Amino acid sequence: DAGITQSPRHKVTETGTPVTLRCHQTENHRYMYWYRQDPGHGLRLIHYSYGVKDTDKGEVSDGYSVSRSKTEDFLLTLESATSSQTSVYFCATAPQQGTNQPQHFGDGTRLSIL
Amino acid sequence: GDSVTQMEGPVTLSEEAFLTINCTYTATGYPSLFWYVQYPGEGLQLLLKATKADDKGSNKGFEATYRKETTSFHLEKGSVQVSDSAVYFCALSGQNYGGSQGNLIFGKGTKLSVKP
Repeated sequence: DAGITQSPRHKVTETGTPVTLRCHQTENHRYMYWYRQDPGHGLRLIHYSYGVKDTDKGEVSDGYSVSRSKTEDFLLTLESATSSQTSVYFCATAPQQGTNQPQHFGDGTRLSIL
Repeated sequence: GDSVTQMEGPVTLSEEAFLTINCTYTATGYPSLFWYVQYPGEGLQLLLKATKADDKGSNKGFEATYRKETTSFHLEKGSVQVSDSAVYFCALSGQNYGGSQGNLIFGKGTKLSVKP
């Protein structure tokens, strides 16, 4: 698709530990997004970025932080993981802003917090 | 706020059956509407989109028409195949959500299983 790589693809960790998920894109898209996917909820936006060092909160941002120091990389950090953050996390990108712009998705990271 | 409601699944059909997955939305302004498909173990892929009222999006035999009067964007396919088994998400891109145009709001997803 848009050359989006998420790492790691799977991770199991313990409550209270910090976790960082990485999204790397090769398409030079300006916009990047982090979603979480949970049964019965569909996908919900956590944070998004509209340029290097420019980020904003989404619907479910509590307990998460993000950073974007380069166009190609968008990091999602759980400072102190909780069991409620067990989920599948998806990164997405879009080349430009606008309501008619589709987003391109990575293959996801399955995160389990015990 | 803006929202998307799609029919609960799972939906199980026999091969060559007709498919309809209902999707309705609530939004201010004039959103764009999308259907995404997720195959097992993969991310979401754009299936089709429509950006204004009465537009019909189509791809791979799937169709959906943007109906402003009924605030709907139902997904249809005349003859499903086993390879269509996946989770389907309806989404809208609103003008005001999250303070940024282009942010997507998703329905909860509908799982489709097609039996041979």
